[in-house]
Amino acid sequence: AQTVTQSQPEMSVQEAETVTLSCTYDTSENNYYLFWYKQPPSRQMILVIRQEAYKQQNATENRFSVNFQKAAKSFSLKISDSQLGDTAMYFCALYPNQAGTALIFGKGTTLSVSS
Amino acid sequence: EPEVTQTPSHQVTQMGQEVILRCVPISNHLYFYWYRQILGQKVEFLVSFYNNEISEKSEIFDDQFSVERPDGSNFTLKIRSTKLEDSAMYFCASWEELMVEQYFGPGTRLTVT
Repeated sequence: AQTVTQSQPEMSVQEAETVTLSCTYDTSENNYYLFWYKQPPSRQMILVIRQEAYKQQNATENRFSVNFQKAAKSFSLKISDSQLGDTAMYFCALYPNQAGTALIFGKGTTLSVSS
Repeated sequence: EPEVTQTPSHQVTQMGQEVILRCVPISNHLYFYWYRQILGQKVEFLVSFYNNEISEKSEIFDDQFSVERPDGSNFTLKIRSTKLEDSAMYFCASWEELMVEQYFGPGTRLTVT
């Protein structure tokens, strides 16, 4: 079975600081994709960052970066210079790269950024 | 930028009633999905749809659920006889094959009373 685990139900950080959200996963696929989605209070699902398993280089998108450890099946999200607008639920998701397959989500981490 | 749209944004219905949730996926996408998120919980897959038929479905997607694409643009999820536990946020998504990314709609909040 393919699973995604987020072990931190809640995290908090102050503005301008850095925070890391953890995610581990399990899959038998060799080629897959990993995602972090942000869900603000509006509950819209917003893609934050994507990592392709065959790429060794960690993905970055502005203040967001990942630490992808394929052997350990770990995929953490680092948010630098945290802003109040980063307050949201963050979901880690696995896509097994089989056409039409659904995303497999973790339970999410609620991040609160305070001033 | 193209986007997935969903209507209504919020639907309130009584237990036992039928509801239809509507989605307009991005026009050149091939795969369409419905997901459900009970408040405060994780996003769960319901069903995927390709070439006018169900591609994959989860255990949640039982006989009270159905999907269809009645025309070239809309993609609907019908719940025949709603239960209290169907209260959730329902997300539609469509898949951009080249970018390997699922684009999510804004969701429909379903409240069953």
